[in-house]
Amino acid sequence: SSELTQDPAVSVALGQTVRITCQGDSLRSYYASWYQQKPGQAPALVMYGENNRPSGIPDRFSGSRSGNTASLTITGAQAEDEADYYCGSRDISGNLWVFGGGTKLTVL
Amino acid sequence: QLQLQESGPGLVKPSETLSLTCTVSGGSISRTTYYWGWIRQPPGKGLEWIGSHYYTGNTYYNPSLKSRVTISVDTSKNQFSLKMSSVTAADTAVYYCVRHPVVIVDWFDPWGQGTLVTVSS
Repeated sequence: SSELTQDPAVSVALGQTVRITCQGDSLRSYYASWYQQKPGQAPALVMYGENNRPSGIPDRFSGSRSGNTASLTITGAQAEDEADYYCGSRDISGNLWVFGGGTKLTVL
Repeated sequence: QLQLQESGPGLVKPSETLSLTCTVSGGSISRTTYYWGWIRQPPGKGLEWIGSHYYTGNTYYNPSLKSRVTISVDTSKNQFSLKMSSVTAADTAVYYCVRHPVVIVDWFDPWGQGTLVTVSS
């Protein structure tokens, strides 16, 4: 399958920990990358590979993978983390790219 | 710092061809270690990869769009472009140009700011 599946919506209390997941067969072979998108803005890379944060991304963001599931964890969620989060990866062929449907994160 | 900027018509008529250009600044499009690609996002919906071009000429397209899409690179202008033929209202979206590395552990970064293309008569 070339699909990546995400929960449509997740909520977290301010300061608590939240895990956003992404499932797909291709994730057994390829790492996911994660993108944060706030209203009216372009997506921004927040995580890639095993657990790599681009410069400027707070260390409360972390990544992991187990089997066919990739996860983005926010430890101590802040109000500014409220956004849509998308995972992306190569498909099983390795020559095409796919995205998950996105998860809307609400910080309560 | 590498920056990408999309440009092109914001309104295209049904059945016509959508044409967008991405101008790359702060780095060379001729670098062999990157793909140059396009991603779109219909209003209120998720991201869809359209296709990516590698300097060797190899280009990879989303199978659902492959018959209508062409991505090309103009190294003299440090630009790459997207052409999508026979557009319909379903092609209305924000179109982003992106760069991604030619490695197994890859990612899309940076992204252009995006340009909204509306298909309407």
